[in-house]
Amino acid sequence: DQQVKQNSPSLSVQEGRISILNCDYTNSMFDYFLWYKKYPAEGPTFLISISSIKDKNEDGRFTVFLNKSAKHLSLHIVPSQPGDSAVYFCAASRGTNTGNQFYFGTGTSLTVIP
Amino acid sequence: DVKVTQSSRYLVKRTGEKVFLECVQDMDHENMFWYRQDPGLGLRLIYFSYDVKMKEKGDIPEGYSVSREKKERFSLILESASTNQTSMYLCASSLPQSRRGGYTFGSGTRLTVV
Repeated sequence: DQQVKQNSPSLSVQEGRISILNCDYTNSMFDYFLWYKKYPAEGPTFLISISSIKDKNEDGRFTVFLNKSAKHLSLHIVPSQPGDSAVYFCAASRGTNTGNQFYFGTGTSLTVIP
Repeated sequence: DVKVTQSSRYLVKRTGEKVFLECVQDMDHENMFWYRQDPGLGLRLIYFSYDVKMKEKGDIPEGYSVSREKKERFSLILESASTNQTSMYLCASSLPQSRRGGYTFGSGTRLTVV
């Protein structure tokens, strides 16, 4: 059963506009969330994270918002650039004694149109 | 920089062959993971390991096995390759108690089974 869901498989945005990627999760025990970016033929690379004690985290053009009551997080990219075109995965985890397993969404393919 | 190296970028194998995918990390991480990425299905966990000689099944272990004889190396074995195992395979590693930054992924191995 998919615990982390990205319901939009693809998104197209004009260069300079805002990109908003969404992610929903079902497990209320998740307390740490990440976004990864993946180019074709490369492994995912870490983009930005947020802990459940926060509702917003910002890093340059990237901001992640967390709504715990709705079990929803979103990634905002402002302004969008053609180099942002990639597949974005959200991931969630809960702290355990044996490790830090992350659960991944299915990904959203972002295309930024010049 | 943490590096996770996967031995092959592209691999073509015949149905029924035994296939070995190798992964090496150089940062003394205890945790290592094998995922496969398929369109529309995201990243699905095959196996993971929290320590040398330890292994745990992920969500889709059928048809796969793993080996972790040394801390830095985690091998994925396809016992008898089938066409439905054609996929992008991603190896990742992480520290056990630190979720900061999530996993570090390798560049992936694109396996085609014909």
